[in-house]
Amino acid sequence: NAGVTQTPKFRVLKTGQSMTLLCAQDMNHEYMYWYRQDPGMGLRLIHYSVGEGTTAKGEVPDGYNVSRLKKQNFLLGLESAAPSQTSVYFCASSYIIRTGRAAEQFFGPGTRLTVL
Amino acid sequence: DAKTTQPNSMESNEEEPVHLPCNHSTISGTDYIHWYRQLPSQGPEYVIHGLTSNVNNRMASLAIAEDRKSSTLILHRATLRDAAVYYCILRDHFSGSRLTFGEGTQLTVNP
Repeated sequence: NAGVTQTPKFRVLKTGQSMTLLCAQDMNHEYMYWYRQDPGMGLRLIHYSVGEGTTAKGEVPDGYNVSRLKKQNFLLGLESAAPSQTSVYFCASSYIIRTGRAAEQFFGPGTRLTVL
Repeated sequence: DAKTTQPNSMESNEEEPVHLPCNHSTISGTDYIHWYRQLPSQGPEYVIHGLTSNVNNRMASLAIAEDRKSSTLILHRATLRDAAVYYCILRDHFSGSRLTFGEGTQLTVNP
């Protein structure tokens, strides 16, 4: 299994440009998440999904949109990139155990995004 | 989510045990204690979690205080590969699957 993969690994954007980050998991996990990590800080949750076709806002959702059209993929979109969105973006997934509680999260390798 | 307090940094020598502390004085009865670590330039990885009893797995041990207001992650024999940021996170059993990361403890392992 490849686990959680992220595309691309690096990207440089100009202010106002748009892009989509792709997260894919081959573990048949129900839950998927997008986080961002700024230098010297912990991860902050942007959006998450508890199943195909569902999405929900996390701690810092402004400026981002997401879609979960297929169970194995979770897309993060930036419609009009801003320098404040320069960060490392991590995707994660987790499965459901008994009583509907989610198990531990499995993280991807990250996408380093710079917005000039 | 209840907050956790961890030291910013700790140092250890290779092949010695490491005890990483975490304070969580406002923990609720349904909060699980999770530990993740993040190696340099990688995504976080799960280490261990527990509720009340001490837990052991192949990576580490988790010692939980009787009043649950603090816990300690124990690496029995540190290796250079254990140098990472370690995050102690409380996750409520009923509030869903989200994790709230703090700034963690930067562990340096000296050869």
